[in-house]
Amino acid sequence: GAVVSQHPSWVICKSGTSVKIECRSLDFQATTMFWYRQFPKQSLMLMATSNEGSKATYEQGVEKDKFLINHASLTLSTLTVTSAHPEDSSFYICSWTGGREIRGTEAFFGQGTRLTVV
Amino acid sequence: AQKVTQAQTEISVVEKEDVTLDCVYETRDTTYYLFWYKQPPSGELVFLIRRNSFDEQNEISGRYSWNFQKSTSSFNFTITASQVVDSAVYFCALYGGSQGNLIFGKGTKLSVKP
Repeated sequence: GAVVSQHPSWVICKSGTSVKIECRSLDFQATTMFWYRQFPKQSLMLMATSNEGSKATYEQGVEKDKFLINHASLTLSTLTVTSAHPEDSSFYICSWTGGREIRGTEAFFGQGTRLTVV
Repeated sequence: AQKVTQAQTEISVVEKEDVTLDCVYETRDTTYYLFWYKQPPSGELVFLIRRNSFDEQNEISGRYSWNFQKSTSSFNFTITASQVVDSAVYFCALYGGSQGNLIFGKGTKLSVKP
């Protein structure tokens, strides 16, 4: 199956700093990647859709200036949390479902990044 | 609107008991896909099964089985003879977001005690 590699797997940063999370598709080209956020003991919620070569689309309530998404190539999407605050502490996970079609038998997820802002 | 409901927030069983995790979904699409994922404490999502809307056959994989019933919009997951290693949060998800994303239920935390 397709492999999505995400790193770092965990990061601790100081309040006010920025953190970049990378998501790479290792054996396929991803025109679309999804970024989800999961607060402790909650479900995964779609934050934004990363589109190669164009602007990301954000879900309602997600600040696009705070969560910068760059999808400059078909194999790399990045999420940068700018001026992080403790309330941004969460588990962030990227995913590929082949855009509007599912390739293979599953949607593919990165390993996730646990962000702690102190 | 598309929605996935997992009414059971937490379930606790003793090892070797059978346990069923419920999942009810809502969608207006005639073609859709349903998933189950396991999320251990490490956070990584472990794929368990994908089922499309045209395939109502129940599936069995080892101790795991799934009961898909379109008439009741349910896709329930049963673990037979549960083990401690089955302890995790289990998510049911629906493929059908407007952009091709998955819509997740709130998850059911399963604790299997020895």
